[in-house]
Amino acid sequence: NAGVTQTPKFQVLKTGQSMTLQCAQDMNHNSMYWYRQDPGMGLRLIYYSASEGTTDKGEVPNGYNVSRLNKREFSLRLESAAPSQTSVYFCASSETGMGRNEQFFGPGTRLTVL
Amino acid sequence: QKEVEQNSGPLSVPEGAIASLNCTYSDRVSQSFFWYRQYSGKSPELIMSIYSNGDKEDGRFTAQLNKASQYVSLLIRDSQPSDSATYLCAVNNLYGNNRLAFGKGNQVVVIP
Repeated sequence: NAGVTQTPKFQVLKTGQSMTLQCAQDMNHNSMYWYRQDPGMGLRLIYYSASEGTTDKGEVPNGYNVSRLNKREFSLRLESAAPSQTSVYFCASSETGMGRNEQFFGPGTRLTVL
Repeated sequence: QKEVEQNSGPLSVPEGAIASLNCTYSDRVSQSFFWYRQYSGKSPELIMSIYSNGDKEDGRFTAQLNKASQYVSLLIRDSQPSDSATYLCAVNNLYGNNRLAFGKGNQVVVIP
């Protein structure tokens, strides 16, 4: 099993360009998450999807959109990239229930916006 | 008050010693607690989960949970250079839509 996969691994954008970060998991998890990680800020939740067909905003959703394409895939879109979106983006998935939420992370996408 | 707080500053320990990391959380209804290890340039990796008060041991790692005092700790026994990483504490609660709140992490440096 590959676990959680993300593409691309690295990306450089110019301000105003758009792109979609892809995430897929093969663990049959219901829930999926997008985080960004910045120095000194820790992991911050952008959006999450508790189950197929649902998405909800997290702590820092502005400037992003998401799509839960099916149970396996959860994409993150930047419509008009800004330098403030330079970050490392992690996708995660989990099987939630009974108060448990062990999240497993993908390898990350390192995004630079010039 | 931040949801999850971890000690600031790197922790340097000699090889073979015990590294001790602490984490406090603010939400009393929290049910599940996790420790992640993150190597530089890599993604967080789940190393311990704990759900009830007391100790849980897994190899050289021991997680300790005290819900009354709202803290969770991680002990790394016989520290190895390969344990040099940042350790993230994460807390889940039923009323937060099963979202995890992460601390900012503690860097551990094991000195050979």
